[in-house]
Amino acid sequence: GDSVTQMEGPVTLSEEAFLTINCTYTATGYPSLFWYVQYPGEGLQLLLKATKADDKGSNKGFEATYRKETTSFHLEKGSVQVSDSAVYFCALTDFSGYSTLTFGKGTMLLVSP
Amino acid sequence: GAVVSQHPSWVICKSGTSVKIECRSLDFQATTMFWYRQFPKQSLMLMATSNEGSKATYEQGVEKDKFLINHASLTLSTLTVTSAHPEDSSFYICSARDPTRGGIDTQYFGPGTRLTVL
Repeated sequence: GDSVTQMEGPVTLSEEAFLTINCTYTATGYPSLFWYVQYPGEGLQLLLKATKADDKGSNKGFEATYRKETTSFHLEKGSVQVSDSAVYFCALTDFSGYSTLTFGKGTMLLVSP
Repeated sequence: GAVVSQHPSWVICKSGTSVKIECRSLDFQATTMFWYRQFPKQSLMLMATSNEGSKATYEQGVEKDKFLINHASLTLSTLTVTSAHPEDSSFYICSARDPTRGGIDTQYFGPGTRLTVL
């Protein structure tokens, strides 16, 4: 079945540091890929998505590129802020059945001033 | 746009009682809604997929008689945890898909409901 693997956290960075959170996936078809963010005490918010190979999703300074050859969708941001502290989930949907989402385990990001 | 609400945001109940959680799409019609359960510091586990006007599809291992799902309208789905026990304590999150926005692959999530069973 489909699966998503994320780097384990927490990832601890100082403000303005460069961020990379690795995500790789296994899927039988051609999935859409997502990054969701969950701030403390809140539900998930869609951060960005990409629907086909070589697509780059971007939002709020975050970027991720759909790499089919390496089955990866790594999240990057050039300069993190304290307000970016949250849990980040990589996910995919493969359009089978009800197009359900398969999530990674999440990576907690802690940014200090 | 694409706002999903949940009510209540938190609930505490006694063991053996039933609890109903509502999930509403506020500015769009959602033919499909999803219910997830999230344990502390873990990922979301899909419990069931709910389609308006039909029975929910439950994931393997989820007791359909314990977690009753009703999707009676295009903007409302409810999850009822029947005869709740402490092991049912968790964070329950719903999501909805708006086929007119974001593509059929994009889900919009509610803020979650924290259930604590004493």
